[in-house]
Amino acid sequence: KQEVTQIPAALSVPEGENLVLNCSFTDSAIYNLQWFRQDPGKGLTSLLLIQSSQREQTSGRLNASLDKSSGRSTLYIAASQPGDSATYLCAVSGRRIQGAQKLVFGQGTRLTINP
Amino acid sequence: DAGVIQSPRHEVTEMGQEVTLRCKPISGHNSLFWYRQTMMRGLELLIYFNNNVPIDDSGMPEDRFSAKMPNASFSTLKIQPSEPRDSAVYFCASSGRRSYGYTFGSGTRLTVV
Repeated sequence: KQEVTQIPAALSVPEGENLVLNCSFTDSAIYNLQWFRQDPGKGLTSLLLIQSSQREQTSGRLNASLDKSSGRSTLYIAASQPGDSATYLCAVSGRRIQGAQKLVFGQGTRLTINP
Repeated sequence: DAGVIQSPRHEVTEMGQEVTLRCKPISGHNSLFWYRQTMMRGLELLIYFNNNVPIDDSGMPEDRFSAKMPNASFSTLKIQPSEPRDSAVYFCASSGRRSYGYTFGSGTRLTVV
């Protein structure tokens, strides 16, 4: 059974710092990995998706890397801003079963950026 | 595209009542997922469908929960009878045949008193 762990559970940093969020998974036979952002009381917003054949994806100040063999992914946020404060969730999917892939989520990292 | 649409946004009901949550996936997406989110357990997959057919309902907590997808544009999650421990945020998500990503709805916050 796939298990996803995110460390740390919470992180508070001053504005402007670069930071790294970590995600690890127990079964390396994943199809893809997705990072989401969730604001309090809101739904999930997809940030980056990395296919199993890829090593990283970038979007603006965000960079996500994937090391399948070691079962790890990192989300790097450059020049953090107060607006980046949210919970960040990592999720992995396995191969398609009867045409569908299911996502298994970590517990998330609650990030606070202090002005 | 309006995205994944869930209704209602909030539901408060008394223990023992029937609750029905609704979801409209993104047009053209053929996979639909129901998740439940609580502080204690995080996001849990309850059930998912592909081409309107339930593929895996092993996450459904008990027989009080049931889900249907009568057509490609509509799904329901029903709880009967509801209990206070069912209080959570229920999310619906969809994914396309050629899309590897998931799109989530805004969720339904259910409170059973």
